[in-house]
Amino acid sequence: SQQGEEDPQALSIQEGENATMNCSYKTSINNLQWYRQNSGRGLVHLILIRSNEREKHSGRLRVTLDTSKKSSSLLITASRAADTASYFCATEKNSNYQLIWGAGTKLIIKP
Amino acid sequence: SQTIHQWPATLVQPVGSPLSLECTVEGTSNPNLYWYRQAAGRGLQLLFYSVGIGQISSEVPQNLSASRPQDRQFILSSKKLLLSDSGFYLCAWSVPGGGETQYFGPGTRLLVL
Repeated sequence: SQQGEEDPQALSIQEGENATMNCSYKTSINNLQWYRQNSGRGLVHLILIRSNEREKHSGRLRVTLDTSKKSSSLLITASRAADTASYFCATEKNSNYQLIWGAGTKLIIKP
Repeated sequence: SQTIHQWPATLVQPVGSPLSLECTVEGTSNPNLYWYRQAAGRGLQLLFYSVGIGQISSEVPQNLSASRPQDRQFILSSKKLLLSDSGFYLCAWSVPGGGETQYFGPGTRLLVL
């Protein structure tokens, strides 16, 4: 089964609102990453949070990690139409340089 | 700076035909290289990864194969395509020994008819 599972599967909000996506995983991790994918394009790395970190910020992005609950959240504040994309979390598999990917959250920002 | 190229961008192939997708990376040496497939609206499935020339690890048994003839070149091949091979194929690289952030190419959309 997938190590990372995002929820919700799809999220539609108005421009300017905050968007929150969640990711759960099953085994211990070294780090957790979030990526963004515009339709029909490659993935773009957004942010990496290590297992000893609880929160990390990058611009309008805020990522939290709760290792006791094996979950992470990605918050996008003051959303824009250009934030419309699919967002994926990924965790490292057994330190052998592979990433395990969730199915993603499809985010739609309505102008 | 590093860049990653994939081609072609789109490919329509008949069932039973061969396949060759190419990925090249510039601006880095000895990268880890990855081939993924993504079904419509789904997450990524790792197909192959390579930590060096000629070193290929396969994650999913299937009629696809991969080769790394040069340090920064990764090729995905098939001798006979199946309908189920349709999908979006993504190549990615990461720094050697790091295995953390992966950097993706633009992808190839393959339609097998």
